[in-house]
Amino acid sequence: EIVLTQSPGTLSLSPGERATLSCRASQSVSSSYVAWYQQKPGQAPRLLIYGASSRATGIPDRFSGSGSGTDFTLTISRLEPEDFAVFYCQHYGYSPGTFGRGTKVEIK
Amino acid sequence: QVHLVESGGGVAQPGRSLRLSCAASGFSFSSYGMHWVRQAPGKGLEWVAVIWHDGSNQYLADSVKGRFTISRDNLKNTVYLQMNSLRADDTAVYYCARESFIVTGLLDDWGQGTLVTVSS
Repeated sequence: EIVLTQSPGTLSLSPGERATLSCRASQSVSSSYVAWYQQKPGQAPRLLIYGASSRATGIPDRFSGSGSGTDFTLTISRLEPEDFAVFYCQHYGYSPGTFGRGTKVEIK
Repeated sequence: QVHLVESGGGVAQPGRSLRLSCAASGFSFSSYGMHWVRQAPGKGLEWVAVIWHDGSNQYLADSVKGRFTISRDNLKNTVYLQMNSLRADDTAVYYCARESFIVTGLLDDWGQGTLVTVSS
């Protein structure tokens, strides 16, 4: 089973700053099958990025994804107040899919 | 607009059963695979189960295999999670999620979840 390790566990930033979140896989995965989800407190997760770099419908372009092999990154170019949340990466394309343990982006 | 509404959560004693339902609307339900994902209090996401669009195949996480079953009724636009022999570590918010039409395992819409608490 592929294990996804997300870092850092918590990222403390101010609105307007750039956020860089990492997701590392225990073995090489196809970038076609890496996704990122955002979860705000008390809400369900929301799909942000799929195929490592494609934005889901309605996702602002300040969110971008990149990476290949074992290392993937979610970047938020300029944090808006509504962006503070927990972010999960996922490897999909098979059952079961695997989630990382999440990175919390909090207001500094 | 896709709408997924879970129900059936509540408090159950260890060893007892619960059945969760997820009512879907706003899309062609019988064309999509459906998943259950759970989240223990303060923890991350754990995939639980998937059922193919026509119900012909189901897969369950090892942690629930032999205790949970997933099923669907395409006439009622509803997917179910039957949970038997509940344990304390099954305590979680259970989300149903729609699988992308394009690729297995990508979850493009989620319900708001239903809380299951297993406690004596």
